[in-house]
Amino acid sequence: AQTVTQSQPEMSVQEAETVTLSCTYDTSENNYYLFWYKQPPSRQMILVIRQEAYKQQNATENRFSVNFQKAAKSFSLKISDSQLGDTAMYFCAYKMTTSGTYKYIFGTGTRLKVLA
Amino acid sequence: NAGVTQTPKFRVLKTGQSMTLLCAQDMNHEYMYWYRQDPGMGLRLIHYSVGEGTTAKGEVPDGYNVSRLKKQNFLLGLESAAPSQTSVYFCASSYGRNTEAFFGQGTRLTVV
Repeated sequence: AQTVTQSQPEMSVQEAETVTLSCTYDTSENNYYLFWYKQPPSRQMILVIRQEAYKQQNATENRFSVNFQKAAKSFSLKISDSQLGDTAMYFCAYKMTTSGTYKYIFGTGTRLKVLA
Repeated sequence: NAGVTQTPKFRVLKTGQSMTLLCAQDMNHEYMYWYRQDPGMGLRLIHYSVGEGTTAKGEVPDGYNVSRLKKQNFLLGLESAAPSQTSVYFCASSYGRNTEAFFGQGTRLTVV
């Protein structure tokens, strides 16, 4: 069964610094999708970035980028120039695509606090 | 542009009471999901649907039922609420294979 592991329950970073959130997953599929979601105190789940497994190039979205290591089954999120508004819970998610059943499996989350 | 809308946003139930959470999406998505979020456990899939009239069990289905009579709506029912069902519930929908999930605002449910 597919699993997603986020080994850092909490992290903090100084404003304007860079922080990396870790995510590993386990799967036997060859083609799949990975996502990072942000959940601020408002509780809304917001997509940060997505990665398609068959694309070797790492995805980037402004200050957010990923380091996707398919062989190692690792999908870390790097936040550059951290801002106070980045304070949130971050979830890594894996999308199953087997047999047309498109389910999302989430990690337990990393609570990030950006310090002024 | 509503996206995914959950009703209600907050609810307090007594043990043994029943209730239905409503999820509505206006994006014509085929796939819909119900998750629960508990501290330290991330989001766990309760039930999901791959199209109108279909439902399937997820990781933690016990104590819940669902229905998808219309493509845009996905209902989650609690027949006899228990304190262990105190949680934040999220509905999500997606279009297909290569798209992300879109989430509702969540429902905070407390069972006393």
